[in-house]
Amino acid sequence: EVQLVESGGGLVQPGGSLRLSCAASGFTFSSYEMNWVRQAPGKGLEWVSYISSSGSTIYYADSVKGRFTISRDNAKNSLYLQMNSLRAEDTAVYYCARATSWARGYYFDYWGQGTLVTVSS
Amino acid sequence: QSVLTQPPSVSGAPGQRVTISCTGSSSNIGAGYDVHWYQQLPGTAPKLLIYGNSNRPSGVPDRFSGSKSGTSASLAITGLQAEDEADYYCQSYDSSLSGPGYVFGTGTKVTVL
Repeated sequence: EVQLVESGGGLVQPGGSLRLSCAASGFTFSSYEMNWVRQAPGKGLEWVSYISSSGSTIYYADSVKGRFTISRDNAKNSLYLQMNSLRAEDTAVYYCARATSWARGYYFDYWGQGTLVTVSS
Repeated sequence: QSVLTQPPSVSGAPGQRVTISCTGSSSNIGAGYDVHWYQQLPGTAPKLLIYGNSNRPSGVPDRFSGSKSGTSASLAITGLQAEDEADYYCQSYDSSLSGPGYVFGTGTKVTVL
């Protein structure tokens, strides 16, 4: 059974840092692209960051570029998101999501349960 | 920024059929890129409902169906049930975006009357 379990969320002051983790199991982690997707309270889904299966290709949404860093450790079946210079607008539930290639594009076939990040003084 | 537009809400009585539209443009759905749908039950993570416009993952009831035409896609729920009350999101690829080009719809809340 595929499982994605996020951790590391919490309350942080504006300008602070937080590191999220996502532990994967039930599939060959090193074969899949992974993503972070967030959802602000009462709002829709927003893609945050992408990392290729090997970690060699990385993308960020403009809203987090220069502040967030995605990484993975295939030996530990883990995905990470280092978040620096946090702002109030980064407050959201952060999901890790596995991407599966389709004929034209990707879809997210498995999601973690999410971890809440609250940026507030 | 969402470039796929969905109605904020739709509702129906148990047993009825409801449809949710997902309207895009020539750089995403209209360019032939496929549409995928997710269901988010209250307080839970999104779950893949439809992939590749009309394909259901194992375990998804056949009362859920998807279609695509032109610059729009639709999700239909036939025989609406109380447990279908949730938020629904479409997702596609947009060639005008940098990176992997993921784009989500604005989301639709389905209410079972």
